[in-house]
Amino acid sequence: KNEVEQSPQNLTAQEGEFITINCSYSVGISALHWLQQHPGGGIVSLFMLSSGKKKHGRLIATINIQEKHSSLHITASHPRDSAVYICAVRYTTSGTYKYIFGTGTRLKVLA
Amino acid sequence: DTGVSQDPRHKITKRGQNVTFRCDPISEHNRLYWYRQTLGQGPEFLTYFQNEAQLEKSRLLSDRFSAERPKGSFSTLEIQRTEQGDSAMYLCASSSDRVNEKLFFGSGTQLSVL
Repeated sequence: KNEVEQSPQNLTAQEGEFITINCSYSVGISALHWLQQHPGGGIVSLFMLSSGKKKHGRLIATINIQEKHSSLHITASHPRDSAVYICAVRYTTSGTYKYIFGTGTRLKVLA
Repeated sequence: DTGVSQDPRHKITKRGQNVTFRCDPISEHNRLYWYRQTLGQGPEFLTYFQNEAQLEKSRLLSDRFSAERPKGSFSTLEIQRTEQGDSAMYLCASSSDRVNEKLFFGSGTQLSVL
């Protein structure tokens, strides 16, 4: 079992739909990142969360530390949201930060 | 500063050749990470620098791989005697020591070993 699991692995939605991507993890963490990766490799950090909820435009990220679970929501989805969304957890060991990445959720939004 | 830069973007090489990649992190970032990503997978940790010190190296990294960050600024990742299994996207990321600092990624170097 991977230490960071995402669901679904693949998701196709129609433009305008509300989208939810889930991330569950099994290690104790100090923070969780949601990342967006477009074809060609570039990765952009969307959110870093250690508790509660954050909102940026049409994106909302929530985290429940007790349940070791986070969700990324996209409201009013658009074809330009098509990308791979990766959950990454940060934990502290021996005074340094380490990250474990999920395998990503491939989102395709159809016009 | 426009972010983390990686060079080259693409590298095609023949099996057995040596390759070197460069990463220029965001200037004030003291933490630098190298990751490898293959198709359909999330990034896998390779190695980590704090300033010029290489503090951790993954067991994934065979002795054909070496990384340096000589002045605590840019970093290089060298792969000697490349194998077809080394074909992947090599990603560099940097961050500062601040607790709430995000991780910033470069665009990656796509390596193809023929």
